Amino acid sequence: GAVVSQHPSRVICKSGTSVKIECRSLDFQATTMFWYRQFPKQSLMLMATSNEGSKATYEQGVEKDKFLINHASLTLSTLTVTSAHPEDSSFYICSAARGSTEAFFGQGTRLTVV
Amino acid sequence: KQEVTQIPAALSVPEGENLVLNCSFTDSAIYNLQWFRQDPGKGLTSLLLIQSSQREQTSGRLNASLDKSSGRSTLYIAASQPGDSATYLCAVPSGGYQKVTFGTGTKLQVIP
Repeated sequence: GAVVSQHPSRVICKSGTSVKIECRSLDFQATTMFWYRQFPKQSLMLMATSNEGSKATYEQGVEKDKFLINHASLTLSTLTVTSAHPEDSSFYICSAARGSTEAFFGQGTRLTVV
Repeated sequence: KQEVTQIPAALSVPEGENLVLNCSFTDSAIYNLQWFRQDPGKGLTSLLLIQSSQREQTSGRLNASLDKSSGRSTLYIAASQPGDSATYLCAVPSGGYQKVTFGTGTKLQVIP
């Protein structure tokens, strides 16, 4: 089966620092990856679409300068939360597209900004 | 824009009961529908994926049905167990086959 690995699973960082989350497709190539976030007691919402070798496409209301996405290879996309603040504390999850019809999810990252 | 709603938002049942979770979506032109389970503080576990050409899928005590024309899917859990306690999410493709819109979720508690 298709495996998507997300790292770290949990991270605590101080306010004002940056934190990087990695999303890797372990056994397939993914030209497209997606990043979602989930605020407490809310559902998962798409943040951005990450395309290998090109700029990410962000959903309305998501600050692209704050949430930097890099998709440098066919198996790795990274999400960097810059100058994190407590309101950025959330659950972030990625998915990687295999072919045109399937996407597989990572396990997610719980970010806490203190 | 695809909107996905799940009813009920929360459900508490005694162990052993059979139960049904509902998912409705506004755009019926979907390629598939997926049900996930999310445990508190943890990631997603994929439970069932139903292709648009299928009407239902089964995995163990779980059975999911899909009625595209009415924009509905149900997840049936037979003989519920305390270990089934979690939040259940349905998800449908949104504006493409790969990115999805998640439902609002049903938080299930199975009481021993």
